[in-house]
Amino acid sequence: ETGVTQTPRHLVMGMTNKKSLKCEQHLGHNAMYWYKQSAKKPLELMFVYNFKEQTENNSVPSRFSPECPNSSHLFLHLHTLQPEDSALYLCASSQVTSGASGELFFGEGSRLTVL
Amino acid sequence: DAKTTQPPSMDCAEGRAANLPCNHSTISGNEYVYWYRQIHSQGPQYIIHGLKNNETNEMASLIITEDRKSSTLILPHATLRDTAVYYCIVFLTQGGSEKLVFGKGMKLTVNP
Repeated sequence: ETGVTQTPRHLVMGMTNKKSLKCEQHLGHNAMYWYKQSAKKPLELMFVYNFKEQTENNSVPSRFSPECPNSSHLFLHLHTLQPEDSALYLCASSQVTSGASGELFFGEGSRLTVL
Repeated sequence: DAKTTQPPSMDCAEGRAANLPCNHSTISGNEYVYWYRQIHSQGPQYIIHGLKNNETNEMASLIITEDRKSSTLILPHATLRDTAVYYCIVFLTQGGSEKLVFGKGMKLTVNP
């Protein structure tokens, strides 16, 4: 139990569907992240939020839309995805003080399959 | 791009010490070395980090060479549950871009 909870753990969707991934952290952290891990590839950073403000968008296609309503919750809204978007989507949080933190706490991930 | 180099895989016998090497020859003076591991289909788990002194916690020890160009993560008594992909990452905490960049890592297999 890392203190970061992701739901759903598994999701199957068609290319025309709209779905959302949810992440909640119970650690009192002020930064949250979305990473993508495709099969046999390194983790790729997608988005970073600091104090609810997006500070990083790593050239992610617009069919992925993040939302951070508060420091404890992070969503990833999905629409018109492609089969190559099938991957493990990982949420993480950290406490940023005077500088960035390299100590991230990850959730278990949401395994997404796009048909 | 990842700024570290790790061997792709390593085997270790259960109960023995596992010494995981990492090269980071271009590390700058204020960059830290972080280690994470990822057990199959789970999220990565933070293990330890250091700047120049050796560090130890309940999970592992981190030995950084004096010139800081390489480091070794030591799992003192490896168990089957330590089988995972281990990532060595160089990260700037002050004034950095807050990007923790994961490379391919190294697959450690602990054998009974």
